Amino acid sequence: SQQGEEDPQALSIQEGENATMNCSYKTSINNLQWYRQNSGRGLVHLILIRSNEREKHSGRLRVTLDTSKKSSSLLITASRAADTASYFCATDFRATYNTDKLIFGTGTRLQVFP
Amino acid sequence: KAGVTQTPRYLIKTRGQQVTLSCSPISGHRSVSWYQQTPGQGLQFLFEYFSETQRNKGNFPGRFSGRQFSNSRSEMNVSTLELGDSALYLCAPRRTSGRAAGDTGELFFGEGSRLTVL
Repeated sequence: SQQGEEDPQALSIQEGENATMNCSYKTSINNLQWYRQNSGRGLVHLILIRSNEREKHSGRLRVTLDTSKKSSSLLITASRAADTASYFCATDFRATYNTDKLIFGTGTRLQVFP
Repeated sequence: KAGVTQTPRYLIKTRGQQVTLSCSPISGHRSVSWYQQTPGQGLQFLFEYFSETQRNKGNFPGRFSGRQFSNSRSEMNVSTLELGDSALYLCAPRRTSGRAAGDTGELFFGEGSRLTVL
């Protein structure tokens, strides 16, 4: 099964509102990343947070990580219609050499209405 | 700088055929991962290559294979296609030093190859 599960599966908001997406994972990680995907396109990296970090900011994005709960959240402030996309969290495994693959969550589909 | 190029972007095959997809990474990105994306299963890890060697493999049957060339370009092949192989196939190069696990950097995705099996 996938490492990450996200909720909600879908989220609809108005422009200017904040959007919060959550990701839960199962095993110990080295880092957690968030990606964005516009419909049918490739994924674009948004932000990476390491396991020893609790919060990270990048522009209108704020990511938190709680390793004790094995969860992360992505907050997009002051949403714009252009933020409409699917958002995925991705985790790697803290394991032996050669097992640093990234496993993606199920994704949250965000719709921002003008 | 040039991005990741995947070819072909779209293709249609019939059951039983085989297909080869190509990925040209950004210069200097020595690791290439491949993912399959379907509405039902989401993004599934296929395999990862580093310096022409497969160093990680997902839970896919042997019909799925890949390789990497000395210039870091990568190909994946699917033989004996099944209807369920219809998907968006994404390659994702990554700049890595090749050190031990624990330093998974960001992936740079191509636009994908959308395969339809009829």
